Amino acid sequence: AQSVTQLGSHVSVSEGALVLLRCNYSSSVPPYLFWYVQYPNQGLQLLLKYTSAATLVKGINGFEAEFKKSETSFHLTKPSAHMSDAAEYFCAVSDGNAGNMLTFGGGTRLMVKP
Amino acid sequence: NAGVTQTPKFQVLKTGQSMTLQCAQDMNHEYMSWYRQDPGMGLRLIHYSVGAGITDQGEVPNGYNVSRSTTEDFPLRLLSAAPSQTSVYFCASSYPGAVDEQYFGPGTRLTVT
Repeated sequence: AQSVTQLGSHVSVSEGALVLLRCNYSSSVPPYLFWYVQYPNQGLQLLLKYTSAATLVKGINGFEAEFKKSETSFHLTKPSAHMSDAAEYFCAVSDGNAGNMLTFGGGTRLMVKP
Repeated sequence: NAGVTQTPKFQVLKTGQSMTLQCAQDMNHEYMSWYRQDPGMGLRLIHYSVGAGITDQGEVPNGYNVSRSTTEDFPLRLLSAAPSQTSVYFCASSYPGAVDEQYFGPGTRLTVT
């Protein structure tokens, strides 16, 4: 069974500050890992994905995440927050099983202060 | 391509009523799934299908039925709605082996009073 834990349901940063959203996972097989973003009243948009290639993954909008197997982590970072980054972020894991099912974390709402 | 479409966008039901949430995709994806999104719980898998005529339960299947008579459509049925089913519902589709290429629909916001 897989699980995902996102530390911090709400994170607040100032505009221009570093964004760090934490994600830890458990999986019995090498995982596929994802970060999705959801803007208010919208659907899910894939930010980035780890599929066993490079451990440092770059995504859209300046976000990146590093897969650390020893720490079972996949934290999301962005060097400088923009007001437009305010959204909810979800970390998800899959073992590539039939159905391509995803297990999601509880989500982290990012607030950006001017 | 329209991608993954869901109807309706919003729905209000009374307890005990039934309804069907529609999901369709025009990408010839074999895999389709339904998730519900609740505050603090992320998205949880309700049911999924690996092809026409094949469905299986996910993490939270109780109170929901599905069927897959065509590759394109994967409707989710609530037979007797309960307030606990108030949620936002997302449908997703993908090709086999393409777990990193899932397409999500825009969601249906359901309120059960």
